[in-house]
This record gives sequence, structure tokens and C-alpha cells, in this order.
Amino acid sequence: DAGVTQTPRHEVAEKGQTIILKCEPVSGHNDLFWYRQTKIQGLELLSYFRSKSLMEDGGAFKDRFKAEMLNSSFSTLKIQPTEPKDSAVYLCASSLVWGGGQNTLYFGAGTRLSVL
Amino acid sequence: QQKVQQSPESLIVPEGAMTSLNCTFSDSASQYFAWYRQHSGKAPKALMSIFSNGEKEEGRFTIHLNKASLHFSLHIRDSQPSDSALYLCAVSIAGGNYKPTFGKGTSLVVHP
Repeated sequence: DAGVTQTPRHEVAEKGQTIILKCEPVSGHNDLFWYRQTKIQGLELLSYFRSKSLMEDGGAFKDRFKAEMLNSSFSTLKIQPTEPKDSAVYLCASSLVWGGGQNTLYFGAGTRLSVL
Repeated sequence: QQKVQQSPESLIVPEGAMTSLNCTFSDSASQYFAWYRQHSGKAPKALMSIFSNGEKEEGRFTIHLNKASLHFSLHIRDSQPSDSALYLCAVSIAGGNYKPTFGKGTSLVVHP
């Protein structure tokens, strides 16, 4: 079975650029999460979708971060405009039905973003 | 808002040792507790989860939950160099609208 696929694995951007990160969840999973991971803050939730509906958009990240589920098997995270403090690893995770007794998150390997 | 804290931040143990990792949470309504392991440069992967007070053992790994103390832990028996990784604890209130909140992680190094 294919797991969660994230592309690209590495991204380098200039300050002020727009970048789009991509995620393909596990086939058949209904829930999708985007997290940002840094050593200082750990994993911070950016967005949470259930069956393509946005359940939570991560509050502080609303301004420049926008996640979308274009269909049940593809999601994007747009950062616009990028700032150096956005340098981090961006993780996508999916779950069959979060909270429905099947509470395991399946993570992708992440996209490491460096903003110069 | 749920606060999840892990201790210690980092740990170095010899091969064969018992390793204990701790996680505290702030919301007493929490009902899902899990540990994830992330090897360097890789995806976090679910290790074990527990829903009710007590202990659960799977191979060399044991998870212990004490809801009254707002605390759960992971114990690794006979630690191996392959256990060297970042360990993340996750907590959630039951129900689909409640997102899982993660701790910042404990970095474990098991030296031969």
C-alpha cells in the first residue's frame, strides 16, 4: 500500500516568493492534516480537513498559509509570501477517520523548506 | 487550549538499558494518548496508543497512562541502537473535531 506522499522533499525559496507544497494521502483516508515541525516549537497544526471540508485552519497561520483539498486524494499548502521564519519541515498526515476508533496518523516524510 | 510537554528533551542510554520517556497534558477531558517515533529525516510513525488508565505492552515497548495525574509514559526494555530517534507524544480529546496535539519530542540516542 502506498503511504502518504509529499513533494517536493526539499524546497529553497527567496523571501517574498510563493511556494506550493503537495500531499497525496493514503488511499481511502478521509482526514488530512498539515503540520509544521521545528526544533523550537515542535509540531504545530496548520490545517485539518475531513472529507475535503476544512475543520480547523491553525489560527495564527491564517495570514500567509492556505491549505486546500482539491479532491480526496490531493492537497496543497500554499505559503504566500514566504519569510525566513517559515524555514521548517512541513508534514502532511492522513487518517482513516480521526476520532472514530481508528486514531492512527500516517505521516509523509515531509518537505524541508529553506527561505533565504 | 491543550498543552503537551515532554521530558527529558534528550537522553543518551547504553544498549540494553531500560529507557523511560514522559508526557504530561493539561486537558482532563483527553481520551487518546499515543507515541510516535521519528528517525532522522523520516516520517513520524505510530508506535502505540492507549485509551484507558493502566498499562499496555507490545514487545519491548510499554505505555503507562495515569489520567488523574495528567501523565503518560513510554518504557523501552532492552534499548537498541535502532531505537535512536525522536519520540513524540500525542494527545486528543475524543471525537473527530478534536485535533491531536503533539509534544516537542524527546531525542533518544542508544549507544552500542
